[in-house]
Amino acid sequence: GESVGLHLPTLSVQEGDNSIINCAYSNSASDYFIWYKQESGKGPQFIIDIRSNMDKRQGQRVTVLLNKTVKHLSLQIAATQPGDSAVYFCAEKNAAGNKLTFGGGTRVLVKP
Amino acid sequence: DAGITQSPRYKITETGRQVTLMCHQTWSHSYMFWYRQDLGHGLRLIYYSAAADITDKGEVPDGYVVSRSKTENFPLTLESATRSQTSVYFCASSGRVGDTQYFGPGTRLTVL
Repeated sequence: GESVGLHLPTLSVQEGDNSIINCAYSNSASDYFIWYKQESGKGPQFIIDIRSNMDKRQGQRVTVLLNKTVKHLSLQIAATQPGDSAVYFCAEKNAAGNKLTFGGGTRVLVKP
Repeated sequence: DAGITQSPRYKITETGRQVTLMCHQTWSHSYMFWYRQDLGHGLRLIYYSAAADITDKGEVPDGYVVSRSKTENFPLTLESATRSQTSVYFCASSGRVGDTQYFGPGTRLTVL
C-alpha cells in the first residue's frame, strides 16, 4: 500500500495502555488544529479537531490538548487497541486561509 | 455514499510523459486539495481550489497543472513527468473555509 514513512518517530504501546502523541506547531496565528490517523494503504482519516479558543476537547477514547503558550498539541488515546496502530499527523490551519500545514507524523505500534 | 475517490490507485509512467490523476467527490464540497506525501516530507500541498474555476498554488506547485470545471472533480496533471514526482498523491475536500478536510485513498505514482 501507500507508504507513509520509514523514519518516523515511533511510539510503542502495550495494548490497553494509554498513548500520548505530541506535536509542536510553529505559527502562533494558527486557529484550528486537527489530528489525522493514517493506516497503511489509506488516506489520512479525521480523528478530532480543536479551535484555538479551547484548550481541551474529548471524543470517543481520544482527547486533544492545546497549549498555546508553548505551541504544543497532544493527542491522548485511552486504552489503546491494535486497530489504533497507524501514523498520526497533526495539522494546523492559519486564520488567514483554508490551507493546512501538516506535521511529520508519529507512528504508533500497539503490542498485544 | 462514495465520498471522495481517486483514480487510478497505482500508476507507473516514464519520464516526460503526461499523466492525469483524477479526484471525484460526491459531497458537493466547495474546497478541494491535492497533496503529495513523500518520505521525510509528510504531506505537502500542491494546489487547491475554493470553487469551480478557482484554483490557487500551494507549497509545491511546480510541474503540476489543475483544473476545476465541475465542483465534484479536481484533476491533477503532470505535463511532463519527472522522477522527482514519484510520490503518493492524496486528494481532499472540505465544505467551507475552516472545515475539516476529508481525504481520498491516494494514488501511488512511479515515474521511471
